[in-house]
Amino acid sequence: NAGVTQTPKFQVLKTGQSMTLQCAQDMNHEYMSWYRQDPGMGLRLIHYSVGAGITDQGEVPNGYNVSRSTTEDFPLRLLSAAPSQTSVYFCASSYSYRVEDGYTFGSGTRLTVV
Amino acid sequence: KQEVTQIPAALSVPEGENLVLNCSFTDSAIYNLQWFRQDPGKGLTSLLLIQSSQREQTSGRLNASLDKSSGRSTLYIAASQPGDSATYLCAVVRATGTASKLTFGTGTRLQVTL
Repeated sequence: NAGVTQTPKFQVLKTGQSMTLQCAQDMNHEYMSWYRQDPGMGLRLIHYSVGAGITDQGEVPNGYNVSRSTTEDFPLRLLSAAPSQTSVYFCASSYSYRVEDGYTFGSGTRLTVV
Repeated sequence: KQEVTQIPAALSVPEGENLVLNCSFTDSAIYNLQWFRQDPGKGLTSLLLIQSSQREQTSGRLNASLDKSSGRSTLYIAASQPGDSATYLCAVVRATGTASKLTFGTGTRLQVTL
């Protein structure tokens, strides 16, 4: 089924470890974004990409890296995990020239840093 | 900076009741507004998308309205059912700058009781 696929669904990390959250879409969407969701704070934008090879920072980028080597994939890297990065992470995508189609979200990755 | 507010934060209604969820935003220069549903521990499901040129959208028992001039949107749910219990989020895409950013409200947690 076409959509946004995130892996893993759950992850526990120790402080200082690094890891990559994967996001892939098969809808040929140009726009892709990463959000984190924390209780009482809603979803906040971490990084986004308007196309392959182009990325930019969102509202809360510190501690995260992204790259966009292909249209389909937009991985999010945690360089040195901290307990403050315990959250649920969502990847989203949309067309660039058809903003009226709205956004499609993945099912999320629940990350716990101990 | 765009700010999105949803009131109330939580709502409990008996089955069969009609209800209205509110969403307000500070910057009226938007491409569109999207309403999502989120079930506990799950991802976001898109419910309705309203373009900036539209006044309302309907899907089944759901009706969303948009008033850009006042910076408000409402989601009307008719004849509520226990299966409607979830968190409802609204999000706006600004019309200025890159259209890859959604700004979310903090959501309204709805419980429909038997």
